[in-house]
Amino acid sequence: AQTVTQSQPEMSVQEAETVTLSCTYDTSENNYYLFWYKQPPSRQMILVIRQEAYKQQNATENRFSVNFQKAAKSFSLKISDSQLGDTAMYFCAFIFQGGSEKLVFGKGTKLTVNP
Amino acid sequence: EAGVAQSPRYKIIEKRQSVAFWCNPISGHATLYWYQQILGQGPKLLIQFQNNGVVDDSQLPKDRFSAERLKGVDSTLKIQPAKLEDSAVYLCASSQDGSPLHFGNGTRLTVT
Repeated sequence: AQTVTQSQPEMSVQEAETVTLSCTYDTSENNYYLFWYKQPPSRQMILVIRQEAYKQQNATENRFSVNFQKAAKSFSLKISDSQLGDTAMYFCAFIFQGGSEKLVFGKGTKLTVNP
Repeated sequence: EAGVAQSPRYKIIEKRQSVAFWCNPISGHATLYWYQQILGQGPKLLIQFQNNGVVDDSQLPKDRFSAERLKGVDSTLKIQPAKLEDSAVYLCASSQDGSPLHFGNGTRLTVT
């Protein structure tokens, strides 16, 4: 079974600074995708960034980037130039391509950006 | 494109009552998911549909929860009878051909 672990229940960062959220996962599969979702108080899950396991290059999306270490099964999210609007719950998620395509989530990290 | 629509936004019921949630996925998305998100936890998959067929309902408490997706489009999730521990946000999501899941705003259920 696939599992996703986020070891930081809460984090805070000052506006304009950089913060890194950790995520590790466990799978025996080789073809999969990893995601970071943001969930603000509005409750909607918003896709932040996506990484295909077969790609060695780390995904980048504006101020958001990942450090994907496949051998270590690690997938951290770096947020640069943090903004107040980045305050939210952040969930790391895994999906195995080729099975039932079930998205498995970690327990989340609550990020607070302070002015 | 229009997003995933869910209703109602909030629902408060007493234990042992029944409740139903509705979801309209993004047009053309064949796969539909219902997730349960208890406060302080990540979403947990309850049921996954591919068109109008069930792909995975292994974590659906079938003694009280039911879901259907008629005509492969809209879906309803029902709880009957509700228990206190069913208090959660119920998220619907849809996807197409392995694309990232798109989520609705969820329904917050409070069981008193």
